[in-house]
Amino acid sequence: QQQVKQSPQSLIVQKGGISIINCAYENTAFDYFPWYQQFPGKGPALLIAIRPDVSEKKEGRFTISFNKSAKQFSLHIMDSQPGDSATYFCAASYNYGQNFVFGPGTRLSVLP
Amino acid sequence: DAGITQSPRHKVTETGTPVTLRCHQTENHRYMYWYRQDPGHGLRLIHYSYGVKDTDKGEVSDGYSVSRSKTEDFLLTLESATSSQTSVYFCAIRLDRDGNTIYFGEGSWLTVV
Repeated sequence: QQQVKQSPQSLIVQKGGISIINCAYENTAFDYFPWYQQFPGKGPALLIAIRPDVSEKKEGRFTISFNKSAKQFSLHIMDSQPGDSATYFCAASYNYGQNFVFGPGTRLSVLP
Repeated sequence: DAGITQSPRHKVTETGTPVTLRCHQTENHRYMYWYRQDPGHGLRLIHYSYGVKDTDKGEVSDGYSVSRSKTEDFLLTLESATSSQTSVYFCAIRLDRDGNTIYFGEGSWLTVV
């Protein structure tokens, strides 16, 4: 019940296309859902996050869509660029971040 | 930048030897974490600390110990390294002013041969 599932494992998108990564959870206690972006040789960096009281949050080309009833959330990258090529992790937490669970990651490659 | 420094950044060690990884933060936040990252497993919590001398186990704590004698430093020790502990280790902190998000260091690459 602590698990966060993430798909796809890898994704190849053409420059300018839309990248979509999906995550699902079981534990309804989760109340914070961040996404992290990781470049090779670097630590994961917070990209964008959402709480379950909203269905969508947008920051620039990055949007989180959240479906509370389905217990699913997704990351959409609009106008994908080669510089977006990285590994993306979804995560879920509750209890003010004391319990933090990560998905297994999605490796995104954006072709020029 | 959350002011996290990990050392060493890269290390090769032999099976059976002790190894200590250090995480240092500059802002004295209360919560600190050690994760390991392996292909197909994402990020898994090893141990975390919620204050000086206050630590607890995470999902994959076997074979690891931690210590926090100062707020700014969180040490991860492999008492007797094994090849299965070859991994990338990330330290993370949770900002006291933002209780929900954790921020990661740059990582320590450990190879046990």
